[in-house]
Amino acid sequence: DTGVSQDPRHKITKRGQNVTFRCDPISEHNRLYWYRQTLGQGPEFLTYFQNEAQLEKSRLLSDRFSAERPKGSFSTLEIQRTEQGDSAMYLCASRPSSGSAGELFFGEGSRLTVL
Amino acid sequence: SQQGEEDPQALSIQEGENATMNCSYKTSINNLQWYRQNSGRGLVHLILIRSNEREKHSGRLRVTLDTSKKSSSLLITASRAADTASYFCATDTGGGNKLTFGTGTQLKVEL
Repeated sequence: DTGVSQDPRHKITKRGQNVTFRCDPISEHNRLYWYRQTLGQGPEFLTYFQNEAQLEKSRLLSDRFSAERPKGSFSTLEIQRTEQGDSAMYLCASRPSSGSAGELFFGEGSRLTVL
Repeated sequence: SQQGEEDPQALSIQEGENATMNCSYKTSINNLQWYRQNSGRGLVHLILIRSNEREKHSGRLRVTLDTSKKSSSLLITASRAADTASYFCATDTGGGNKLTFGTGTQLKVEL
């Protein structure tokens, strides 16, 4: 069973460094979503792709954040010049654009700690 | 921003008891979904209820939806220690099926 895969699972970095997270969705899923979750809160939407097109970005996604899905398969989320406030769990989810009711399939997340 | 709020924020019960969690939301929805999250893990989809449905069952789960009150409840019957997790409601308001999550209920089921 190849579910949604995220890498790395944990990342500790110093403030000001750049970090990149990778998400491999379920292979037949053409929609891919990024969420951020801080301790004790629900996930907050960051951005989503249909195939390679980035269709929506939250205002939470500052200029330091960039997401790509170059071939419509895996996606990367890069954070430049990290700040302590970026410490969170970054969750990736995918789903097919048709043929399902709308549930998302989540990966295990990438936990970022900025020192 | 969080669309919904869950109530209670935390719930502690004994194994075998029922657990009820409530979710309130703010805008019109296409459907409402419930997810479960074990500590430090990703979310797992539990059940989806469409806006034209009032009640849905799946195993030990029962979900109700009242669109006039913009609220939903999740009932877990005959709880088990393995049900210990955080539970989130999420609303789909259309536009790419982006989900907006609530703040979650932390359920602890004690032996």
